Amino acid sequence: GENVEQHPSTLSVQEGDSAVIKCTYSDSASNYFPWYKQELGKRPQLIIDIRSNVGEKKDQRIAVTLNKTAKHFSLHITETQPEDSAVYFCAAKAGGYALNFGKGTSLLVTP
Amino acid sequence: NAGVTQTPKFQVLKTGQSMTLQCAQDMNHEYMSWYRQDPGMGLRLIHYSVGAGITDQGEVPNGYNVSRSTTEDFPLRLLSAAPSQTSVYFCASSYPPGEQFFGPGTRLTVL
Repeated sequence: GENVEQHPSTLSVQEGDSAVIKCTYSDSASNYFPWYKQELGKRPQLIIDIRSNVGEKKDQRIAVTLNKTAKHFSLHITETQPEDSAVYFCAAKAGGYALNFGKGTSLLVTP
Repeated sequence: NAGVTQTPKFQVLKTGQSMTLQCAQDMNHEYMSWYRQDPGMGLRLIHYSVGAGITDQGEVPNGYNVSRSTTEDFPLRLLSAAPSQTSVYFCASSYPPGEQFFGPGTRLTVL
């Protein structure tokens, strides 16, 4: 089955700096790659997603890039703010309906 | 719309007890799923359903049963609770396959 690896597991940046989280996947048939943000004690919420026919997608301070050849995708957060502190999960879907999640990155943005 | 709702929010069980975690959605989504979240393990798929009357196993199905008699409801049954089932459980739904909307979660402790 699909295996999604996510790095780093923890990331600390200063306010205003950029943060990058990387994921790799194993199934070349994967065609949908969402990123979820989970604040402490809350449910995961979708922040951005990308499909396999697109190489990059941007939404304000957040961008995702996809390299299908290398089977990896990344989340980029620019001009980080303290409210960006949360756990971020990448996921991949290869046909069917099931999403396979990475183990998460705990991002801390310090003022 | 209430979105995805889960009950109860918290539950404490003794080893060997059974219980049902409830999940409902009012978005007419075809796909529903159950995940468990453990520290450092990300979100792991337990069971999922692609429509009423259709269910399938995910990554960690042992010890859990599901059924889908209506589009709206997707209960998760623990047959004989074990301490290893202590976790936070999230229900999610989507239509079409893609963005998954998560419920608020149920925090389960098995003593």
